[in-house]
Amino acid sequence: SQQGEEDPQALSIQEGENATMNCSYKTSINNLQWYRQNSGRGLVHLILIRSNEREKHSGRLRVTLDTSKKSSSLLITASRAADTASYFCALQGGKLIFGQGTELSVKP
Amino acid sequence: GAVVSQHPSRVICKSGTSVKIECRSLDFQATTMFWYRQFPKQSLMLMATSNEGSKATYEQGVEKDKFLINHASLTLSTLTVTSAHPEDSSFYICSARVSEKNLIYNEQFFGPGTRLTVL
Repeated sequence: SQQGEEDPQALSIQEGENATMNCSYKTSINNLQWYRQNSGRGLVHLILIRSNEREKHSGRLRVTLDTSKKSSSLLITASRAADTASYFCALQGGKLIFGQGTELSVKP
Repeated sequence: GAVVSQHPSRVICKSGTSVKIECRSLDFQATTMFWYRQFPKQSLMLMATSNEGSKATYEQGVEKDKFLINHASLTLSTLTVTSAHPEDSSFYICSARVSEKNLIYNEQFFGPGTRLTVL
C-alpha cells in the first residue's frame, strides 16, 4: 500500500509536554507533508520536507525525514490545548497519499 | 496565498438524488485537481485525479459512473455523486495543484470540504 502508516494512532498528553508522531512509508517520494485537521474541519498544511532534506523547523514544529528508513517524525514542542487535533502525514509521489493519522489530545 | 473554495460546504439530500460539489481555485490556475473522501475518524482517501480538459483517473474501487468528475476549466472541477445513498455520506475534500513539474516543491492546496449527508 502507498499509504503512510502513523503511530501512535492516539496520543494524550498534558499541556506543556512535547508530542511526537511518526510516519513510515514504503514507496519512494518527492516530498513528505504534515497536515492538521480539527474535528469536522478542513486541512491545515503544516510543513513540507523535501526528499533531499533531513530536518525542518517551523515555530514549535520540528519535522525529520530519514529516506533510508522511509520514516518521518513530527515533534510539537511545548504543546497547548489548541494543538488538539488529528495530524496526518502525506506522501507526495505522483499523487498525494495520506497516512492514517494520529489523534492528539492535549489536556490543559 | 493560493485559495481553493468548495461549494456547498454542507448538503443534505434524499436517497436516490444526485448532488454536485464544486471546487474552485480562486487565485491560480490548477492543471490538476484531486478529490478525496473522508469517513468519520478515518484518513483522507484519494478518489480521483482530474486534469483540465481530459478524463479523470479514478482510484481502484471508486465507481466512475457514480462519481462523475468534470474539470472543464483551469479553475473549476466538479464532483457529482449520482443516485446518492446513505453510505455515500461523507466529507468530500478537493485539492488543486499548479503544475506537475518539479513535484519536490509542488504543493497541493486544499478546499475546506463538503459534508454530504444522504437520508
